[in-house]
Amino acid sequence: EAGVAQSPRYKIIEKRQSVAFWCNPISGHATLYWYQQILGQGPKLLIQFQNNGVVDDSQLPKDRFSAERLKGVDSTLKIQPAKLEDSAVYLCASSLPPGGSTDTQYFGPGTRLTVL
Amino acid sequence: QKEVEQNSGPLSVPEGAIASLNCTYSDRGSQSFFWYRQYSGKSPELIMFIYSNGDKEDGRFTAQLNKASQYVSLLIRDSQPSDSATYLCAVSDWAAGNKLTFGGGTRVLVKP
Repeated sequence: EAGVAQSPRYKIIEKRQSVAFWCNPISGHATLYWYQQILGQGPKLLIQFQNNGVVDDSQLPKDRFSAERLKGVDSTLKIQPAKLEDSAVYLCASSLPPGGSTDTQYFGPGTRLTVL
Repeated sequence: QKEVEQNSGPLSVPEGAIASLNCTYSDRGSQSFFWYRQYSGKSPELIMFIYSNGDKEDGRFTAQLNKASQYVSLLIRDSQPSDSATYLCAVSDWAAGNKLTFGGGTRVLVKP
């Protein structure tokens, strides 16, 4: 079974530029998550989708970050404009719908963003 | 604000010894508890999860949960150099859509 796919793996941009990340979840996983992991910290949830609807985006900085999952499968996360403090690894994870013992989240390889 | 606390380490253990990692959480509504391992430059990978009070064993790993005291621990028996990594504790609440709240991680170093 293929895992969670993400691209690009690395991205370097100047501050105030825009950037987009792509994620393809495990087949059949209806729930998709985007996390931000700053060096030395644990991942922090940015947004959670179930199918193509947003379940939780309370920690997404909506003035600069946006995310979509139009067809309930792939998802993109965009930052516009980027700030220095956005330098981090952006992790995508997926799981079966929440509610019980099948709610384990599986992570993709991540995208390492450096903002100069 | 839900919080998950871990000692950042590093926790240095000799090869073959038992590594003991602890995690405390603030939200009494948390129902699922996870341990992830993260090698440097890699993404988190699930080691094990636990839902009920008590111990759960999987190979060399044992997770222990005490909901009354709001802590969860991970024991790694017969530690190997390949166990050197950061271990992330995460908790979730099914009623809150299964959102994971992570601790900052404990760095473990297993010395040959």
